[in-house]
Amino acid sequence: DTAVSQTPKYLVTQMGNDKSIKCEQNLGHDTMYWYKQDSKKFLKIMFSYNNKELIINETVPNRFSPKSPDKAHLNLHINSLELGDSAVYFCASSAVGDSSYEQYFGPGTRLTVT
Amino acid sequence: GNSVTQMEGPVTLSEEAFLTINCTYTATGYPSLFWYVQYPGEGLQLLLKATKADDKGSNKGFEATYRKETTSFHLEKGSVQVSDSAVYFCALSAGNNRKLIWGLGTSLAVNP
Repeated sequence: DTAVSQTPKYLVTQMGNDKSIKCEQNLGHDTMYWYKQDSKKFLKIMFSYNNKELIINETVPNRFSPKSPDKAHLNLHINSLELGDSAVYFCASSAVGDSSYEQYFGPGTRLTVT
Repeated sequence: GNSVTQMEGPVTLSEEAFLTINCTYTATGYPSLFWYVQYPGEGLQLLLKATKADDKGSNKGFEATYRKETTSFHLEKGSVQVSDSAVYFCALSAGNNRKLIWGLGTSLAVNP
């Protein structure tokens, strides 16, 4: 009964390729997020969707495009991959009605661009 | 604006030592405060939280008290174990866009 799941767990690809990472949550949450974590463990919010509507869009290259087909899914598509995109990408979700905005994280996708 | 400052690591302790990881914050309004833990190779998981001043969050022997007067939320544990080796993140939520503001993380290594 996985709460927040991501696929794939590992992704190795070459520069210039296009790739997608999928995220699903079965918690009934209405808000989902994408984070990037670099090699120094620094966490950077990238996007957030609330009920399929984009609510947070930090300064992220246009090559990154999130898509939320429904409130249980938030996918991340990356075009023209660059070496600097190598990182661990985490999906997270939070619940409507939880005023603390506690977030639940997926296990991460380690992206390596060669 | 809102921000979180936590002590830099790495922190290295012997088993059964006392742990403190400092966290201070700047925020408007009344944020909720969190400590998240990331074990090696895993995603982040909530360790504890406090949603109002003077609340104490606790879990797995860890504690943190929401101190509004010092704008702090220091993480403590009386006796650490090797299994506590992880990266610890302090965070706050403020505003209505559900965004968490994160500290830079503190790596803890506990030696037997």
